[in-house]
Amino acid sequence: NAGVTQTPKFQVLKTGQSMTLQCAQDMNHEYMSWYRQDPGMGLRLIHYSVGAGITDQGEVPNGYNVSRSTTEDFPLRLLSAAPSQTSVYFCASSYLVTGAYEQYFGPGTRLTVT
Amino acid sequence: DQQVKQNSPSLSVQEGRISILNCDYTNSMFDYFLWYKKYPAEGPTFLISISSIKDKNEDGRFTVFLNKSAKHLSLHIVPSQPGDSAVYFCAASTSGSRLTFGEGTQLTVNP
Repeated sequence: NAGVTQTPKFQVLKTGQSMTLQCAQDMNHEYMSWYRQDPGMGLRLIHYSVGAGITDQGEVPNGYNVSRSTTEDFPLRLLSAAPSQTSVYFCASSYLVTGAYEQYFGPGTRLTVT
Repeated sequence: DQQVKQNSPSLSVQEGRISILNCDYTNSMFDYFLWYKKYPAEGPTFLISISSIKDKNEDGRFTVFLNKSAKHLSLHIVPSQPGDSAVYFCAASTSGSRLTFGEGTQLTVNP
């Protein structure tokens, strides 16, 4: 199993550009989520999904969109990048029976918006 | 409003000694608490957890203590090893719907 994979590893965007961060898992996990990590602020939940076709907002959803058309994939879209979205983004997944507990995290995408 | 707080950004201990990482929370609805460990350039990995119906959970060198009346939990690592050097995140959840993380504590274990 590859676990949770994220692409790209690094990305530089100009203000106003859009892009999609990819996340895939091969563990048949129903629960998937996106976090951003900023210095001194820990990890903050952006969006999460409890299954294909079902998504919900987390703590900091503004400026991001998600969709979940398959169990395996959970892409995160930045609609119009802003410098405040410079961060490290982590995707995570887990079985629905364990909910948000004991999530498996991907290696992260480091995004810089200039 | 930071519902989960780790007030120590960093902690340095000698190899073989005990490491104690602390976490405070404000939301009394939290019913499950977890610790994650993160190495540089990697995603966090689950370390240990505790339900609010318990006050202690042990897994090898790692023990988590929960004091509900004080809304405080701690992670003890005994004995500490250089490979334990990492950032440790405390997290809390209400009914498994989502996790709220603390800011993290950088643990350095010196040989």
